Amino acid sequence: QQQVKQSPQSLIVQKGGIPIINCAYENTAFDYFPWYQQFPGKGPALLIAIRPDVSEKKEGRFTISFNKSAKQFSLHIMDSQPGDSATYFCAAVVPYGGSQGNLIFGKGTKLSVKP
Amino acid sequence: DVKVTQSSRYLVKRTGEKVFLECVQDMDHENMFWYRQDPGLGLRLIYFSYDVKMKEKGDIPEGYSVSREKKERFSLILESASTNQTSMYLCASSLTHSEAFFGQGTRLTVV
Repeated sequence: QQQVKQSPQSLIVQKGGIPIINCAYENTAFDYFPWYQQFPGKGPALLIAIRPDVSEKKEGRFTISFNKSAKQFSLHIMDSQPGDSATYFCAAVVPYGGSQGNLIFGKGTKLSVKP
Repeated sequence: DVKVTQSSRYLVKRTGEKVFLECVQDMDHENMFWYRQDPGLGLRLIYFSYDVKMKEKGDIPEGYSVSREKKERFSLILESASTNQTSMYLCASSLTHSEAFFGQGTRLTVV
């Protein structure tokens, strides 16, 4: 299954809250899991990424948690700020894909952080 | 820093015109991609290329073609633009087994 299921579709939190975005996959051939952040009118930018042999990766206020047995991974944003308001995409990389190439994207989560 | 550059930020074209969207990357990546992004539909892959002169259809190739004559350049061609091709177009490049890097996007309006 060449799908990555992302939830929720949208999320509203107060400043300082910890939004959590979840992704799930089926294909065990996926070997790299990047997250992208996209501001309106811009292209997605790489935020943080993890390989499946690691259970957690932290970069600043952004943390990926990875559960290989459950085939799930999630993005946590600590102490969220209004400037974090953006659309977030999870993705999975497979060595060689079909019609989606080797990079499979979730549908995206629109995050809004209220002051 | 990886740089993926799309030739135009905004483009307005007439129905029936042939439209060229150009993308250049400077990191010697073998893979290049063209996506379109529409509200509520996420990123949909139009075409991708894993080598010079090689191309593969993505999920929505109808009405589009591509060209990759040089490793650093990947062009998207709308053979005869239609209003339902009004969208944000995103180019990306990557190494195999690695993340993709995106351009800033081209907002195309077909009138």
